[in-house]
Amino acid sequence: DTAVSQTPKYLVTQMGNDKSIKCEQNLGHDTMYWYKQDSKKFLKIMFSYNNKELIINETVPNRFSPKSPDKAHLNLHINSLELGDSAVYFCASSSQGEGYTFGSGTRLTVV
Amino acid sequence: KNQVEQSPQSLIILEGKNCTLQCNYTVSPFSNLRWYKQDTGRGPVSLTIMTFSENTKSNGRYTATLDADTKQSSLHITASQLSDSASYICVVSAHTGGFKTIFGAGTRLFVKA
Repeated sequence: DTAVSQTPKYLVTQMGNDKSIKCEQNLGHDTMYWYKQDSKKFLKIMFSYNNKELIINETVPNRFSPKSPDKAHLNLHINSLELGDSAVYFCASSSQGEGYTFGSGTRLTVV
Repeated sequence: KNQVEQSPQSLIILEGKNCTLQCNYTVSPFSNLRWYKQDTGRGPVSLTIMTFSENTKSNGRYTATLDADTKQSSLHITASQLSDSASYICVVSAHTGGFKTIFGAGTRLFVKA
């Protein structure tokens, strides 16, 4: 069973479109995250969310918004996509004191 | 400024050889340090996690060390295999919550036959 699953694995879309990436975890973790990995392979956190608190990295444009229908899901919605949004986006989850479990990533290409 | 620096950027070794990857950090106040392995096209997978009081931790052929005084960690890979070819990422967390988790840029390891 996949612990953290994201869909789609690949996403190619045009500038200006709105798209969503879905993430689900079956580990019972209480916190979920979205990370962006750029071309230099740096992993940068975008959001951290548990059922109590959403923490937003202030450097993330407000075109990006996380949506959590329940504890096991944290989807990423992106409005008005730009070329610079092209990257690999990773979902992750954790429980307090434990390491992160990452999804396999979604490669977004904006053309 | 909280930073995590890894060296070398990339490394090529022959199958069966050992290697050591370095991680220096300035993250404070220190909570824990993790090493992750990231295969191409996959998400990072945890190898080890160490807190302030631990200075060595092993996971199979992987051995991580931590010197909290000098703020340095290393990941030693013994008897390398072709499947060890991947990026190895050092991640350091601070005591506070929020975004006090800093990822290094990773070391890209290539193991050749």
